[in-house]
Amino acid sequence: AQSVSQHNHHVILSEAASLELGCNYSYGGTVNLFWYVQYPGQHLQLLLKYFSGDPLVKGIKGFEAEFIKSKFSFNLRKPSVQWSDTAEYFCAVTGMDSSYKLIFGSGTRLLVRP
Amino acid sequence: GAVVSQHPSRVICKSGTSVKIECRSLDFQATTMFWYRQFPKKSLMLMATSNEGSKATYEQGVEKDKFLINHASLTLSTLTVTSAHPEDSSFYICSAREPGTGPHQHFGDGTRLSIL
Repeated sequence: AQSVSQHNHHVILSEAASLELGCNYSYGGTVNLFWYVQYPGQHLQLLLKYFSGDPLVKGIKGFEAEFIKSKFSFNLRKPSVQWSDTAEYFCAVTGMDSSYKLIFGSGTRLLVRP
Repeated sequence: GAVVSQHPSRVICKSGTSVKIECRSLDFQATTMFWYRQFPKKSLMLMATSNEGSKATYEQGVEKDKFLINHASLTLSTLTVTSAHPEDSSFYICSAREPGTGPHQHFGDGTRLSIL
């Protein structure tokens, strides 16, 4: 069955700490991968995406993610977090068919302490 | 950037009533819209794919007669929760796909539905 696993449900960091959020997927075939962020009281926003090419993807606000096909992983990283990064982060996957249905992970709630 | 407007943001109603939620793409035409449901501390679960001018495609386990979806125009899809009961209380989120941009979806702010 198609699924996305996010292992960290809650993460608490101090400002300037480094961040890595895990994401593993189970999906037959070629995939498109996404990280979405939901700031408190706001809608889901795209952080970054991987369709093909360079497996190291850079997104907005200093975030990056690396697609490792052999590990079925797409971990999100940021070298130095800020208080404004406090949000919930969702990993998602979709296949290459025309339905474009997104399958989401359960989300990771990040709290950055000033 | 592309904006998706969802209305209402919050609704509280009595058990047995029907509730309609609107999802509009404000600055683009969306041939495909999606409806998700999010339970507390859980992931977004896709309920159905709404295609303009045709019947919605429902995911397994989602009752078609319970959750009526209409996509009458290229900028509007509606979700009607019929004869709502407390177990239907949840956070409902819509998204819209902009043609020609691949699988990326733009999300609405969501609707918090509470059935008393």
